[in-house]
Amino acid sequence: DAGVIQSPRHEVTEMGQEVTLRCKPISGHNSLFWYRQTMMRGLELLIYFNNNVPIDDSGMPEDRFSAKMPNASFSTLKIQPSEPRDSAVYFCASSLRGISGNTIYFGEGSWLTVV
Amino acid sequence: QKEVEQNSGPLSVPEGAIASLNCTYSDRGSQSFFWYRQYSGKSPELIMSIYSNGDKEDGRFTAQLNKASQYVSLLIRDSQPSDSATYLCAVNNNFNKFYFGSGTKLNVKP
Repeated sequence: DAGVIQSPRHEVTEMGQEVTLRCKPISGHNSLFWYRQTMMRGLELLIYFNNNVPIDDSGMPEDRFSAKMPNASFSTLKIQPSEPRDSAVYFCASSLRGISGNTIYFGEGSWLTVV
Repeated sequence: QKEVEQNSGPLSVPEGAIASLNCTYSDRGSQSFFWYRQYSGKSPELIMSIYSNGDKEDGRFTAQLNKASQYVSLLIRDSQPSDSATYLCAVNNNFNKFYFGSGTKLNVKP
């Protein structure tokens, strides 16, 4: 079975440029999460969706960040304009929320460097 | 107060020993509890989940949950150098929001 698929795996961009990260969750999963990981702050939840609807975006650091989930198989995280402090690994994860419990599965991450 | 607290380590144990990793959480309404392992440069991968008080064993791994004390632990028996990684504790609340601890780095010395 295919896991969570993220693209690009690595991106280096200049400050001020727009960055778009993409995610395809595991087929059948109904929850999708965007996390950011840095050495200083660890794994931070940015936003999560249930059934394509954003439920909690309180972790989105600034208005420069936005996320969409137009359908059950695709989500984007956009940073515009990007800044050097946005450099981090961005993980997308998905889960199947159900009565029997749930487990969150991560993609391989998008390594972003803003110079 | 952070939702999930872990000692950052590093925790060093000799090969073959038992490694004990601990985690506390703040939300008493938390429903599900997880341990993830993350190798350097890789994404977190699930080791175990636990939902009710007590112990749950899977091979060399045992997860322990005490909801009254808001405490979760992971024991790794017969530790191997390949177990050297960062271990993340995660907690899921009623609203399907997953909180992760900052992780404990484990070093297993040959």
